Amino acid sequence: GAVVSQHPSRVICKSGTSVKIECRSLDFQATTMFWYRQFPKQSLMLMATSNEGSKATYEQGVEKDKFLINHASLTLSTLTVTSAHPEDSSFYICSARGPGASSYEQYFGPGTRLTVT
Amino acid sequence: GIQVEQSPPDLILQEGANSTLRCNFSDSVNNLQWFHQNPWGQLINLFYIPSGTKQNGRLSATTVATERYSLLYISSSQTTDSGVYFCAVALRGGSYIPTFGRGTSLIVHP
Repeated sequence: GAVVSQHPSRVICKSGTSVKIECRSLDFQATTMFWYRQFPKQSLMLMATSNEGSKATYEQGVEKDKFLINHASLTLSTLTVTSAHPEDSSFYICSARGPGASSYEQYFGPGTRLTVT
Repeated sequence: GIQVEQSPPDLILQEGANSTLRCNFSDSVNNLQWFHQNPWGQLINLFYIPSGTKQNGRLSATTVATERYSLLYISSSQTTDSGVYFCAVALRGGSYIPTFGRGTSLIVHP
């Protein structure tokens, strides 16, 4: 139980285009989802917290107009990187927490490796 | 905010060896998890352990919340244990948004 999927696993896009990443909780309802960014050999950096049906809460320094987060249902959250640039290249990971699993445990998706050329 | 320190930052072992990883935190917490990030980037839940001791096969963990630390024990290490081990904590009375440590990078040689 408590499986989180993420799609796509890898994406290469041209500078200036937008990329959408999906995060789904497959066997539980996730009231809260988190989006992280990870640079090589570094820890996870929290970008934003999203609750179903409400606006995401962004961490300081994260541009909300650039990283659009939509938590439209209890099983799906999306992250859209708008007008991507090479500096947005990174490993993006989502996680979910919800009543279907332990309320305080996070379960992570497999991550999306974004390369902007 | 809460500070989370993990030690050692790097660890190299021979297969079959035992090891202890430590996570120190600066404030009272009521949510602590240990994760293993494999070489492909997937984070795998190891333990949810805000206090006490748990065991799962060759792995066990102990959290002493009053002294603000947690330990992860790996016994009879295998090459598949290689990767980065993170602890993540959330403050008591907070919004349960975890803070991650910098991780311990483990390499197990055959």
